Amino acid sequence: AQSVTQLGSHVSVSEGALVLLRCNYSSSVPPYLFWYVQYPNQGLQLLLKYTSAATLVKGINGFEAEFKKSETSFHLTKPSAHMSDAAEYFCAVRVYGQNFVFGPGTRLSVLP
Amino acid sequence: NAGVTQTPKFQVLKTGQSMTLQCAQDMNHEYMSWYRQDPGMGLRLIHYSVGAGITDQGEVPNGYNVSRSTTEDFPLRLLSAAPSQTSVYFCASSYSHSLNTEAFFGQGTRLTVV
Repeated sequence: AQSVTQLGSHVSVSEGALVLLRCNYSSSVPPYLFWYVQYPNQGLQLLLKYTSAATLVKGINGFEAEFKKSETSFHLTKPSAHMSDAAEYFCAVRVYGQNFVFGPGTRLSVLP
Repeated sequence: NAGVTQTPKFQVLKTGQSMTLQCAQDMNHEYMSWYRQDPGMGLRLIHYSVGAGITDQGEVPNGYNVSRSTTEDFPLRLLSAAPSQTSVYFCASSYSHSLNTEAFFGQGTRLTVV
């Protein structure tokens, strides 16, 4: 069965610092990978997705993620954190069964 | 373009009551699903559908029923509410034919069972 792990349920960074949110997946077949962001009291919004066209994927709001097959990872990064980036971030995998499997989420806090 | 619309946004139920959470999408997506979100557990799949007339169970289906009579609508029914069903519920939809397409989410329904 496919699964997604996100290391760190809560990450704090200073404004202007690098953001790194980790995601590892397990899948017996090539996966399709997604990062979503959830702001308080809202639904999930797509940040970016990996669809095998390129291993480095750029998304909205300056975020990007790199697919590393050898490490089964899809970590999310942003060079410089902004206060508005404070939210919860979910990594998800979609495989041939069509369902999405989500990680437990990482809450990002940005300190002034 | 409304996307995925969920109603109600908030609901308080007494133990044993039943209710239906509504979900509608206007993107002609074949795939629709219901998740519940609980702290530290991410989103867990309750039920899903790959088209009108077709539904299947997800990871946590007990206590919930679904039906899919049209492409647009996918209601979730709580048969006899229990405090363990206190959660935030999200409906999502996506195209079925391409796995590289993302899921679109509604704004959620916050349910409290007392």
